[in-house]
Amino acid sequence: SQTIHQWPATLVQPVGSPLSLECTVEGTSNPNLYWYRQAAGRGLQLLFYSVGIGQISSEVPQNLSASRPQDRQFILSSKKLLLSDSGFYLCAWSPGAYLRGEQYFGPGTRLTVT
Amino acid sequence: AQSVTQPDIHITVSEGASLELRCNYSYGATPYLFWYVQSPGQGLQLLLKYFSGDTLVQGIKGFEAEFKRSQSSFNLRKPSVHWSDAAEYFCAVGEGQGAQKLVFGQGTRLTINP
Repeated sequence: SQTIHQWPATLVQPVGSPLSLECTVEGTSNPNLYWYRQAAGRGLQLLFYSVGIGQISSEVPQNLSASRPQDRQFILSSKKLLLSDSGFYLCAWSPGAYLRGEQYFGPGTRLTVT
Repeated sequence: AQSVTQPDIHITVSEGASLELRCNYSYGATPYLFWYVQSPGQGLQLLLKYFSGDTLVQGIKGFEAEFKRSQSSFNLRKPSVHWSDAAEYFCAVGEGQGAQKLVFGQGTRLTINP
């Protein structure tokens, strides 16, 4: 069966510091991968998605970036965090070949920028 | 662009009562529709999905949803709620070729009274 991991689970970082959140998927190959942000009391905002290694689509212009160095690894980064980057970050995957749209989510990373 | 509206931000029901959460979507073609549930501090779990065929779909945890094209709705129902159903519920519609992306509603927070 497929599993998705995210780490760290929680993170407290000062403004201006760098960020690296990692997401890995097991038990599948060539998945579509997604990064979402969920601000307190709000819905999900799609940040990036990837349909293959090195292929990244950005949905929202901001100081975040994403990379996919391996088939089942998706990394969210920032060079300098802003207060507004605080939130709950969720990684998700969907079967790339299946193309049915259902996505499966990881446990999330709670980021607090101080 | 597609959009999803969940008119109820917060709903409170008594344990054992029936539940209906509303979802309206905007999409030109036959949509791919989903309901997800999120417990506090957790990722999202897929409850059920609609792609085509029977307009009444069954999901996990005793939930069901009915697709009504004439009303552009995909309401979630449960005949008798349990205290463990207290959570945030998100409706989503697939977007893009093969529904590679999901557009989420803002969510409905469900509180269960004992």
